Amino acid sequence: EVQLLGSGGGLARPGGSLRLSCEGSGFNFNTYAMTWVRQAPGKGLEWVSLISASGGVAYYADSVKGRFTISRDNSKNTLFLQMDRLRVEDTAVYYCAKRRGSPPEPFDFWGQGTLVTVSS
Amino acid sequence: DIQMTQSPSTLSASVGDTVTITCRASQRIYDWLAWYQQKPGKAPKLLIYHGSSLESGVPSRFSGSMSGTDFTLTISSLQPDDFATYHCQQYSDGWTFGQGTKVEIK
Repeated sequence: EVQLLGSGGGLARPGGSLRLSCEGSGFNFNTYAMTWVRQAPGKGLEWVSLISASGGVAYYADSVKGRFTISRDNSKNTLFLQMDRLRVEDTAVYYCAKRRGSPPEPFDFWGQGTLVTVSS
Repeated sequence: DIQMTQSPSTLSASVGDTVTITCRASQRIYDWLAWYQQKPGKAPKLLIYHGSSLESGVPSRFSGSMSGTDFTLTISSLQPDDFATYHCQQYSDGWTFGQGTKVEIK
């Protein structure tokens, strides 16, 4: 059974940092691209970042480019999102998800989400 | 960037109804479109991919169709478990979601 367990959320001040983690199990983690998608309170889904299976290629939404860094440790089946220079508008539930296979493919399994609150 | 315009934002329906939700892409995305279901406090769940392919384990009352840049999710004979929010997503060029449609009980 595929499982994605996100962690690391919490309260941060504007300008501060947080690091999210997402541990995968039940599938060959190192053969799938992984992504982060966020959802602000009461709002729709917003794609944030995606990293290739090897970790060699990463993509970012314009809203987080230069502030967030996606990475992965395939030896530990873990995905990360380093969030720096946080803004109030980054407040959201952050979901990690797995892309089904080679592009173009949808995100077929999602973690339970971890809440990030940015407030002074 | 590709924009996805989803409508309606809210839909009131009864058990047994057939409902349709539409997403329009700002440019051609071929059939690279997915539909997700999300319940309150839960992660999204993949329902339909490649415009009309049903994800494994998803009931056959869910179906997807497309015409040009217009995509439709149809739920036939709405069941109590189907009251949720539905999101479309294009994955042709980058990844963009629609604004979401909440299906509520009439």
